[in-house]
Order: sequence, then C-alpha cells, then structure tokens
Amino acid sequence: GENVEQHPSTLSVQEGDSAVIKCTYSDSASNYFPWYKQELGKRPQLIIDIRSNVGEKKDQRIAVTLNKTAKHFSLHITETQPEDSAVYFCAACLPNDYKLSFGAGTTVTVRA
Amino acid sequence: EAGVAQSPRYKIIEKRQSVAFWCNPISGHATLYWYQQILGQGPKLLIQFQNNGVVDDSQLPKDRFSAERLKGVDSTLKIQPAKLEDSAVYLCASSFGQGRIFGPGTRLTVL
Repeated sequence: GENVEQHPSTLSVQEGDSAVIKCTYSDSASNYFPWYKQELGKRPQLIIDIRSNVGEKKDQRIAVTLNKTAKHFSLHITETQPEDSAVYFCAACLPNDYKLSFGAGTTVTVRA
Repeated sequence: EAGVAQSPRYKIIEKRQSVAFWCNPISGHATLYWYQQILGQGPKLLIQFQNNGVVDDSQLPKDRFSAERLKGVDSTLKIQPAKLEDSAVYLCASSFGQGRIFGPGTRLTVL
C-alpha cells in the first residue's frame, strides 16, 4: 500500500518567516495530494491540494509543489502568522479506490 | 452548505463497556469514511463506505468494532467491548471525489 513520510515532525519559525514541510510517497500511481491543517481540538481542514498533472499551486501565502519523478511534495507557507500554528498533515490518494494515506504530521509553532 | 455532523462530541466510558458514534455526511456525498486519530498521529482509516456498501474495512478490528451505513446516508460506528487503547478521536468524513470533508469528531476516553 501507499506509504507517506513527512518531515520535520516539529517546526518552530519566527513570525514573518517561511515554513516548509516535505513529504514523500511510495506509490507512483497516487495522483491527488491534499494538505490538511488541524488546530488543537479541531477537525482536519483542507487548506490546499494538488493533482499529479500540475507541478505547483498557490493560494495566497500557501503553495504546494509536486515532483512526480522523485515522488515528493512540499508545503510552503510564507509570511507566517501566529494563526498558522497548528499540526499540518500531508496525504496521498490513489485514483481507483480513493484510498488516502496520511503522513504523521508536522507541528508548526509560529513565535511572535 | 451544511458540514459533516457527528455525535456525541465527547464520551467517557470504562473498559469493556460499549459505545456508539453517529455520523451524518454532507448531502449528496456517496462516500463515507470513519477514521481513528490517536493523539499525536495522523488519521487512520477504519472503514470506507460507498453508498451503503463497504469498500475497505481492512484496518477495522472486527472482533470489537462494527459499522453500518443503512440507506446510504447516516452511519454508526460501534465498539464492543472497549479497550484502553481505543481512546482516540473518531473522525467521520465524506466525499464526492478524492477530497475529504471531516466532521468535528468524537473524543473517546476509555478508563
């Protein structure tokens, strides 16, 4: 089955700096890569996603890049703000059975 | 658009007791998922329904966990009997395609 690895497990950044989270996946058939943000005690919320026919996608301060050859994808948050503090999960999804495999999560802390 | 609804939000039981969780997905979403999220980990899929049929229950501990989705809409997840290691947040999600919309979850504590 699909195996998703996520690094780092924790990330502390100064407000205004950038944060980068990296994930790798094992099954080259995966074609959909969502990122979820989970604040303490709340549900995971989709913040951005990318499909395998696209190399990069941006939404305001958030961007995701995908390298299909290397089977890795990354989340970039620019100009971080305290409200960006949360746990971020990457995931990879196979096309046929929609099986979604999650990474272990990255706890991001933005220092004011 | 209404979101995924779950109840109860919190439940505390003693080991060996039974518990049931309820989920109402987003209207029109054919696929419904139950995930278990242990503190500090990512969500782990327990069972996936497509309408009222089971697509994947390979990680469901079937000796104690059961789930059903009658009429292809609401779903219930039951644990009987509960163990200490079942303490977790149980998340329901629904989707029309590959994305997932999660409900608020039920936080289960087994004492």
